[in-house]
Order: sequence, then structure tokens, then C-alpha cells
Amino acid sequence: EVRLVESGGGLVQPGGSLRLSCGVSGFTVTVNYIHWVRQAPGKGLEWISVVYSGGSTSYADSVKGRFTISGDASKNTVNLQMNSLTTDDTAVYYCARDGGLYGSGKGALDIWGQGTMVTVSS
Amino acid sequence: DIQMTQSPSSLSASVGDRVTITCRASQTIYKYLNWYQHKPGTAPKLLIYSASLLHYWVPSRFSGSGSGTDFTLTINSLQSEDFATYYCQQSYSTPNTFGQGTKLEIK
Repeated sequence: EVRLVESGGGLVQPGGSLRLSCGVSGFTVTVNYIHWVRQAPGKGLEWISVVYSGGSTSYADSVKGRFTISGDASKNTVNLQMNSLTTDDTAVYYCARDGGLYGSGKGALDIWGQGTMVTVSS
Repeated sequence: DIQMTQSPSSLSASVGDRVTITCRASQTIYKYLNWYQHKPGTAPKLLIYSASLLHYWVPSRFSGSGSGTDFTLTINSLQSEDFATYYCQQSYSTPNTFGQGTKLEIK
């Protein structure tokens, strides 16, 4: 079964760090593109990052320089290291598979995890 | 960055109605336009990709059209399970920006 499961969310103080993981089953992360998307309370979806097969990455301006996405072939996971967190980073964080390799079009997110909540508060 | 503008931001309709949601890109994105359905407490679901192609689970009452900068999602004969928030997303270039969403509510 193809599945993505996020973990690592929780409560963190402003200025702190957190590492989210996206555990993947049913396919290999290193030959796929995996995206992170978040939704702040009462707000819409915000695309934040992608890691491509081969390891290249891209980020939204709102997280560039603070967040780092990486793939771990040994664990078949994708990690999102989040530093210098602010209250604006409070959101549900989703990882999602890019469906481009599966006929769903480049950048279309065809499989999503259930999300993990990150709360930044003192 | 490419800005995506959806309208309306909210919409009230009844079961059986036909509704249309529009999405405009700030520059051409060809057909790199995706639509998602999102219900509270669940993960978003891919609805339409490449502007007009239905994902495998999507019933034929849904349709998408457009290219370049202007796109449309149409739902014919609304069913109770269609009440949700819908988002467009461009995948032409990163950041793969989303529209602000359209909340479809029962009248």
C-alpha cells in the first residue's frame, strides 16, 4: 500500500527548532519528488518545499534559510528540519507525493499524509 | 513567484446545483494547474490535474478547463459529499503556489 505518515510535530517555543519526518511505504523516496505543504489555523494551503530525486530542493520564500528538506534513503523518509520558528509557522504540516512519475502531471500531489500539528508558542 | 487568485472565496449552493469556481494565474502556467478538495480534519485530495484530467476517484460531474492564465472548476449536480473547500495550485514553477481556496457550503 502506498502511504505517507508524518511525525515529529508538537509544541515548541519561538526561536526553537523541530524536525518533521515523512515516512513512506509503497515506493522509494529517492526516486520520487516529495513536497511539504502546510495549513495554518483558519487559513488556506501553503506550499513550502520539495525535494527532487537526486537531492535538489526548492523552498517558499517564507521558509527559505530556516527550513531544510532532505531525503533519507536508509529509512525511506523525507525530513523537514525547521529552525528559528515563529508563531507564523504554527500549522498542520502535510507531506505529499508528486504524481508526475505516475501519470498525474508534474507537481500534482496525488498521495498525502494525514498531517502533523506544529504549534509555536511561549 | 506566480500568484494564484481564486473566486469566489465562498459559495452557498444546494444539492443538485451546478457551481463554477475560477482560478487566475499572474502569468501563463500553460496547463500546469491542479485542483484539490479538502474537508476539515482530513488530508487534501487531488481532484484534477493538468487543468482538465480527472484523478482516478473523481466522478464525472466534476470537470476542469482552461489554459494559460484562466481556469475553471465546474461541479454539475452537486452531491452532499461535495461540500468542502477547493484549492487550485500551479505546478509550472516553484514555489508551487495555491489559490486562497473556495469554501463550498450548503445553502
